Amino acid sequence: DVKVTQSSRYLVKRTGEKVFLECVQDMDHENMFWYRQDPGLGLRLIYFSYDVKMKEKGDIPEGYSVSREKKERFSLILESASTNQTSMYLCASSFLGAGYGYTFGSGTRLTVV
Amino acid sequence: KQEVTQIPAALSVPEGENLVLNCSFTDSAIYNLQWFRQDPGKGLTSLLLIQSSQREQTSGRLNASLDKSSGRSTLYIAASQPGDSATYLCAVIKTGANNLFFGTGTRLTVIP
Repeated sequence: DVKVTQSSRYLVKRTGEKVFLECVQDMDHENMFWYRQDPGLGLRLIYFSYDVKMKEKGDIPEGYSVSREKKERFSLILESASTNQTSMYLCASSFLGAGYGYTFGSGTRLTVV
Repeated sequence: KQEVTQIPAALSVPEGENLVLNCSFTDSAIYNLQWFRQDPGKGLTSLLLIQSSQREQTSGRLNASLDKSSGRSTLYIAASQPGDSATYLCAVIKTGANNLFFGTGTRLTVIP
């Protein structure tokens, strides 16, 4: 069964900490995405990547960075966590070309205190 | 910018009823449309993918239709069950874009 795996289901971090959220896919997908999901705001795209070492800003990149050193792994980095980054974070992947569907991970619920 | 709307925001139905969830989008230039299911606190599970050249897709008790010209899609669930209770999200990929645009979802409750 094909999978997108997010390393943590729940995380609690302190304000100002550097936070790493990891995502790994086993489907040889070119595209990988990070979304955050908040009540009333829906899913919003933070960053995406269409190839190793390539990245593109989404709708809300401020306060985040990403890293893609290997095709299967896409990391989201919160440089200095703040309470307004408390959210559900969802990773997704797809083949290059818009005719393919997306596969999502199970999500990471991050709480910043 | 592509905007995706789902109505109603919440729906409660008795078990066994057939139901329709609606999704509308403002820009008809889309590659495809995908329906997802999300259980509370969990990730998204893909239900159906409709390519822009298709008009519908079926999987078990689910049937999704797409009318690009009117900017609408419907998800039909036959003989609903309590296990169908979840939030249903539709998302589109615009032509020339590489990411999904999501609706805010319909929260479905099927009452035993």
